[in-house]
Amino acid sequence: ETGVTQSPTHLIKTRGQQVTLRCSSQSGHNTVSWYQQALGQGPQFIFQYYREEENGRGNFPPRFSGLQFPNYSSELNVNALELDDSALYLCASSLGTGGTQYFGPGTRLLVL
Amino acid sequence: EDQVTQSPEALRLQEGESSSLNCSYTVSGLRGLFWYRQDPGKGPEFLFTLYSAGEEKEKERLKATLTKKESFLHITAPKPEDSATYLCAVQAGSGYSTLTFGKGTMLLVSP
Repeated sequence: ETGVTQSPTHLIKTRGQQVTLRCSSQSGHNTVSWYQQALGQGPQFIFQYYREEENGRGNFPPRFSGLQFPNYSSELNVNALELDDSALYLCASSLGTGGTQYFGPGTRLLVL
Repeated sequence: EDQVTQSPEALRLQEGESSSLNCSYTVSGLRGLFWYRQDPGKGPEFLFTLYSAGEEKEKERLKATLTKKESFLHITAPKPEDSATYLCAVQAGSGYSTLTFGKGTMLLVSP
């Protein structure tokens, strides 16, 4: 059984740039959720994708957007990067929208 | 608004010294309470799900319990490899299953 994988592991960008983060869900899982974790804080929900549609969104601006593909993998896109976007971005997959969420290793984003 | 508060923020134990971590929550219609372990710079690792008051689950030196207002993670005779941040999260309501997390308890177990 393959776990959740994310790429890249680390990324450095400058303010105003755009970034795309990728996530492959665990084998058999059809739902992907994205979280942002600032240093010393718990993860905060960004949005969830189920059957290629956004199925819920947290308190994040529209410059945070996403996609889910037919193979259930997902992308998180962030436009017009700000310094406060520096964080660990976590992807979690689950079987159905109510299933236990299993997390990937995360992508560490630094915005300078 | 769903809220999760974890205490203490940090805990230092000697190897073999048992203790408990607390997770207090307010949520409308609890669907599940989750415990995760997170090592520095890594993603959270799933430990337990609890669904109703009175439920208990165990795994090695860890035991999680749930009441209507809080959950405890009991650590019995901890070892240095138990050092990590322990996160508590609630899943509430219907529809999409967002997790609302606490800030975590950072546990350090010294040999």
